[in-house]
Amino acid sequence: GAGVSQSPRYKVAKRGQDVALRCDPISGHVSLFWYQQALGQGPEFLTYFQNEAQLDKSGLPSDRFFAERPEGSVSTLKIQRTQQEDSAVYLCASGPRMHEQFFGPGTRLTVL
Amino acid sequence: DAKTTQPNSMESNEEEPVHLPCNHSTISGTDYIHWYRQLPSQGPEYVIHGLTSNVNNRMASLAIAEDRKSSTLILHRATLRDAAVYYCILIMEYGNKLVFGAGTILRVKS
Repeated sequence: GAGVSQSPRYKVAKRGQDVALRCDPISGHVSLFWYQQALGQGPEFLTYFQNEAQLDKSGLPSDRFFAERPEGSVSTLKIQRTQQEDSAVYLCASGPRMHEQFFGPGTRLTVL
Repeated sequence: DAKTTQPNSMESNEEEPVHLPCNHSTISGTDYIHWYRQLPSQGPEYVIHGLTSNVNNRMASLAIAEDRKSSTLILHRATLRDAAVYYCILIMEYGNKLVFGAGTILRVKS
């Protein structure tokens, strides 16, 4: 069956540009997570949705980062006024229950 | 979240068993032990999880120490496709987010 998909797979932005990263979770999955992974490091939690409700956004690094999931399915992570330190792979994961998260392939963001 | 400690890297020969250790001395009674792995250029992949008893699934086995302060992920016959970073993660009973450490880089030699 279809897994978690993310688009675009690669994004190059000039410093100061706004970007939007999309996540299509597995159909029916209630939970949706965003993680940020810097080169050579493990993923770091950004935010968590249960259906359309954003229950935890404690990992968002600044107010330039914003995530939404308006209809409880597709989610968008938006980064405003991108900075070089935002360069990373952004991973989306969905899950039907606590004990197993299914990850997408990630979006590699490069800010020049 | 309670922390885990894993070796930075390990090496194995193809077709041989691999034992990946994880220490979690500050684990609480309601923490579940999860293992994920991340193949090159892919998102992490769930491997297995357990609470107190040893667990087996089609991918691996999880051996949990009696005091729960350590655990071992066992790959029964390593293949080249098992080369990845393996993460040991603790999650509270009603927790959700995964807190990844640095993990163990597993290299498999043919």
